[in-house]
Amino acid sequence: SQLAEENSWALSVHEGESVTVNCSYKTSITALQWYRQKSGKGPAQLILIRSNEREKRNGRLRATLDTSSQSSSLSITATRCEDTAVYFCATDAGGSNAKLTFGKGTKLSVKS
Amino acid sequence: NSKVIQTPRYLVKGQGQKAKMRCIPEKGHPVVFWYQQNKNNEFKFLINFQNQEVLQQIDMTEKRFSAECPSNSPCSLEIQSSEAGDSALYLCASSPDRNTGQLYFGEGSKLTVL
Repeated sequence: SQLAEENSWALSVHEGESVTVNCSYKTSITALQWYRQKSGKGPAQLILIRSNEREKRNGRLRATLDTSSQSSSLSITATRCEDTAVYFCATDAGGSNAKLTFGKGTKLSVKS
Repeated sequence: NSKVIQTPRYLVKGQGQKAKMRCIPEKGHPVVFWYQQNKNNEFKFLINFQNQEVLQQIDMTEKRFSAECPSNSPCSLEIQSSEAGDSALYLCASSPDRNTGQLYFGEGSKLTVL
C-alpha cells in the first residue's frame, strides 16, 4: 500500500526565516500535493507537482519532487506568523478513483 | 474561505447513537470525497463519489458507515451506531474532475463520541 510521510513531526522558526518540510513516499505516483491546515480549518492545497515536474513555485512556496529517491520538499521563504499550520504531503497513484494518500503532517510554528 | 460547506461543525453523540454529517460540494464539482482525520492528524479515506455513483469505499464504510450524494441535495455521511473510536474530524472535499487532483476541502465536522 502507498505511504506518504513527512520527515519531521514539528518545526519551529522565527518570522522572516526560511524553512523546509520534507516528505517521502513508497510507491510510484502520478502527482504529489502539498496542503496546509490551520487550526480549526480544513486542508488547503498549496502546490500540486506532477511526476514529470521537478520544481513548482507558488509565491513564497517552492516544492521539489525527486521521483528517483521518492521524496519531495516544500520550502517557505520569509516566513510569517500566519504560516503557522500543519503541512501535509499527499500522493496520487493515478487510476480512476482520484484518491489521495496523506502523510501524517509536520506542525510548523512561526514565532514573532 | 472554503466553498465546500459542511454541517454541523460539531456533534456529540453517545455510543450506539447515529451521527449524520452533510456536505455541499463546490458548485460544478461532481467528485466528492469523505476523509476521517483523527486526533493525531492522520487521514483515512472513507469513500468518494462521482455525481451519485460510488467510485471507491473502504470496508469500514460498507459496514457501519453509509454515504450518499443524491442529485440536488447535500451529500451525507452517516454512522449507524457510533463508537468511541469514531471520534474524529470528518472532512468532505470536492473536485472538478477526478483526474485533476485538485481537492477543495470543507472545514470539517468534528464528531465526539462519549
